[in-house]
Amino acid sequence: GEDVEQSLFLSVREGDSSVINCTYTDSSSTYLYWYKQEPGAGLQLLTYIFSNMDMKQDQRLTVLLNKKDKHLSLRIADTQTGDSAIYFCAVNNAGNMLTFGGGTRLMVKP
Amino acid sequence: DVKVTQSSRYLVKRTGEKVFLECVQDMDHENMFWYRQDPGLGLRLIYFSYDVKMKEKGDIPEGYSVSREKKERFSLILESASTNQTSMYLCASSSSGTQYFGPGTRLLVL
Repeated sequence: GEDVEQSLFLSVREGDSSVINCTYTDSSSTYLYWYKQEPGAGLQLLTYIFSNMDMKQDQRLTVLLNKKDKHLSLRIADTQTGDSAIYFCAVNNAGNMLTFGGGTRLMVKP
Repeated sequence: DVKVTQSSRYLVKRTGEKVFLECVQDMDHENMFWYRQDPGLGLRLIYFSYDVKMKEKGDIPEGYSVSREKKERFSLILESASTNQTSMYLCASSSSGTQYFGPGTRLLVL
């Protein structure tokens, strides 16, 4: 089955850019997602990219997809303390099912 | 805006009790999901449903059952709660791959 991997932890200073990385194994993946989870809350859909795209930008968020290397990244420009959260990468490959990575905890230091 | 609600944010139950967790979505989505989230284990799929009265086992169905009598409502049932079912429970719904999550229910079984 699909395997989705993320690093556990990332720490950045306020105002810097954050880059959260994700790798996956199934090359037939169609949609790839980024979710944000704040403490004690559910997962909030941040953005997604279709597999025929290389890049998608949405305000401070940039998603890059490298299909050859099966690598997805989320860049947050001008990171703020409110961006501190756990970020999950998720991959859609079997109909309506998603496979989630383990999540990357982003800590933003003032 | 998609809205997924869960009946409780926090719940404390005793071992052996029957526990009902309810999830309601207002977007007429066909598919609904129950996950549990534990530190270090990420999100694990318990059950999902792709239509009224239909259900499929996920990765960890043992100790759980589900009910979907109406399209908008998906219930997770712990027949006899045990301490190892202490967890964060997340409900999601989707119609075309993108999953939208509720705020989560944090369940403590004593």
